[in-house]
Amino acid sequence: SAVISQKPSRDICQRGTSLTIQCQVDSQVTMMFWYRQQPGQSLTLIATANQGSEATYESGFVIDKFPISRPNLTFSTLTVSNMSPEDSSIYLCSALTTYGEPQHFGDGTRLSIL
Amino acid sequence: AQTVTQSQPEMSVQEAETVTLSCTYDTSENNYYLFWYKQPPSRQMILVIRQEAYKQQNATENRFSVNFQKAAKSFSLKISDSQLGDTAMYFCAYQQQGAQKLVFGQGTRLTINP
Repeated sequence: SAVISQKPSRDICQRGTSLTIQCQVDSQVTMMFWYRQQPGQSLTLIATANQGSEATYESGFVIDKFPISRPNLTFSTLTVSNMSPEDSSIYLCSALTTYGEPQHFGDGTRLSIL
Repeated sequence: AQTVTQSQPEMSVQEAETVTLSCTYDTSENNYYLFWYKQPPSRQMILVIRQEAYKQQNATENRFSVNFQKAAKSFSLKISDSQLGDTAMYFCAYQQQGAQKLVFGQGTRLTINP
């Protein structure tokens, strides 16, 4: 299975700033995804990161707030823009190697906004 | 839209006991996948077990097995000979065949006591 590395593992940010989270996979993958996990909650899909084109966002998530890049088959970034305390969550990257196979996850980024 | 429900927010058992976590889901599709993921305090989402809906045989991975009841839309996880390292949040997830999005349940916090 693919090994997925996320950076940073955690950060504390000031209100109104932006943070970019990186996700690196050790092999080429078919699809990459970004999830949010609010405190004590389950995972919610933010968007599917598409290689070479705009990400596909789920209802309730917009590109201006969560811009996503995927320049190649092994790397993606998620930016959390103009952060507020409500954005305090764990953000997880996942990757799919082959259609029909399980998604594998990175270790997540714990983000706290003061 | 598909939904996944885990009705047990928390469970606690003694080491070496057997524990069963419940999951029900709602879908009108016939072909799909079901998963159990484990999330220890380290945050990483770890795949525990996977079931294809077209397979009648219940999936098994060492101490972990499922009871898949397609007609009842039920997918429970049984952990035998529980160990302290099994302490974690457990999430049930659904994936429609052909669509890569994972839909997660609310999670069950499982504590294994020494």
